[in-house]
Amino acid sequence: SQTIHQWPATLVQPVGSPLSLECTVEGTSNPNLYWYRQAAGRGLQLLFYSVGIGQISSEVPQNLSASRPQDRQFILSSKKLLLSDSGFYLCAWSVLTSGSEQYFGPGTRLTVT
Amino acid sequence: KQEVTQIPAALSVPEGENLVLNCSFTDSAIYNLQWFRQDPGKGLTSLLLIQSSQREQTSGRLNASLDKSSGRSTLYIAASQPGDSATYLCAVTSGAGSYQLTFGKGTKLSVIP
Repeated sequence: SQTIHQWPATLVQPVGSPLSLECTVEGTSNPNLYWYRQAAGRGLQLLFYSVGIGQISSEVPQNLSASRPQDRQFILSSKKLLLSDSGFYLCAWSVLTSGSEQYFGPGTRLTVT
Repeated sequence: KQEVTQIPAALSVPEGENLVLNCSFTDSAIYNLQWFRQDPGKGLTSLLLIQSSQREQTSGRLNASLDKSSGRSTLYIAASQPGDSATYLCAVTSGAGSYQLTFGKGTKLSVIP
């Protein structure tokens, strides 16, 4: 069966510090991978998606970036965090066709102070 | 731009009651609709996926219906239990070539023993 992991589970970082969140998927090959953010009082927002190694699409302009160095690894990064980057970050995967059912990881709670 | 609305934002019912959660979307040209459950501080659990050509899907005590022409979906929960307490999220994929899920803000359900 497929499993999706995210770490760390929680993170407290000062404004201006760098960020690296990692997501890995087990039990499947060539998945689509997604990064979402859930901010307080707002719905989930798609940040990035990837249909293959090195292929990243950004949905929302921001100071975050994403990379996919391996087939089942997806990384969310920032060089300098802003207060507005606080939120709950969720990674998801789906099979490699658009419009497929998406499966979510346990999330990372990021607090920027 | 697709918008998804879930009403009510919160719902409290006594144990054993049947209940209906509502979801509406502004653009009826969807590819599919997905219902999720989110426990506090946790990731999303996929409950049901309805393709645009389907009218309903069932899983155990859950039944989701889709009326694409009117832009509505409902999630019916039979014989509610305290363990059903969670936030329920509705999300749509707009178009066969889309990778983006557009989420509602959710309905927070409390089932009182």
